[in-house]
Amino acid sequence: EDKVVQSPLSLVVHEGDTVTLNCSYEVTNFRSLLWYKQEKKAPTFLFMLTSSGIEKKSGRLSSILDKKELFSILNITATQTGDSAIYLCALGSGYALNFGKGTSLLVTP
Amino acid sequence: EAGVAQSPRYKIIEKRQSVAFWCNPISGHATLYWYQQILGQGPKLLIQFQNNGVVDDSQLPKDRFSAERLKGVDSTLKIQPAKLEDSAVYLCASRTHRGLSGTEAFFGQGTRLTVV
Repeated sequence: EDKVVQSPLSLVVHEGDTVTLNCSYEVTNFRSLLWYKQEKKAPTFLFMLTSSGIEKKSGRLSSILDKKELFSILNITATQTGDSAIYLCALGSGYALNFGKGTSLLVTP
Repeated sequence: EAGVAQSPRYKIIEKRQSVAFWCNPISGHATLYWYQQILGQGPKLLIQFQNNGVVDDSQLPKDRFSAERLKGVDSTLKIQPAKLEDSAVYLCASRTHRGLSGTEAFFGQGTRLTVV
C-alpha cells in the first residue's frame, strides 16, 4: 500500500526564518510527487516533481525530490506571516493521488 | 478557465439524516476525486473516477456513502444516514493526464459538513 509521511506535523517559526518540510513515501508505481498549500479550504498547487535532483523554484519556495531515498523537501526562505498554512504532500501513483497528513506552519511576526 | 465548482459550501444536518454534495470538474478532466478532510488531518481519498468509471473506492464507507458520475462530468457524493464522525470538509478535485505523470489536481472550495 502506498504511504506518505510528512514531518514535522507542526512548526512555529519567526518571520524571516528558513524552514524545511519533509515528505517521505513508499509507492509501487511512482508517477509524481506534488506539494500543495492549504490556507482555508481548497489546497492550492505549488510544485509537481517527477525526476530526482531537479529543483523546482518559485520565489522563496523550492522543492526537490530524491527517488533513491524516497523523499522530498519543501524549503521556504525568509518566511512571512502569509506563509502560515498547512503544507500537503501528495503521491501520484498511476491515476491515484494520496495525501500525507500535512505540516501545519505558523509564522509569527 | 473555470475552476472546480462545488455546492453547497456549508451544510448542517442532524445525525441519521441524509445529505448530498455536488461537484462540477474542470471541463475535459477525466479524473475526479472526492476527499474527506477531518480537522487537523490531510485529505483522505474516498473515491476516484476515471470518466464515469470507479477506479478506487476502497476507502469509501459503502454502508452509508455512495457516489456517482453518470455522464463522466458532474459527480454527486451522498451520505445516508449521517453520523457525527462524518463532520468534515468534503473536497472534490479533478485532473487530466497528459503524459505519464499527469498534471496537478485542481480543487474545489469544498463543502463543510457539520453533523449534530
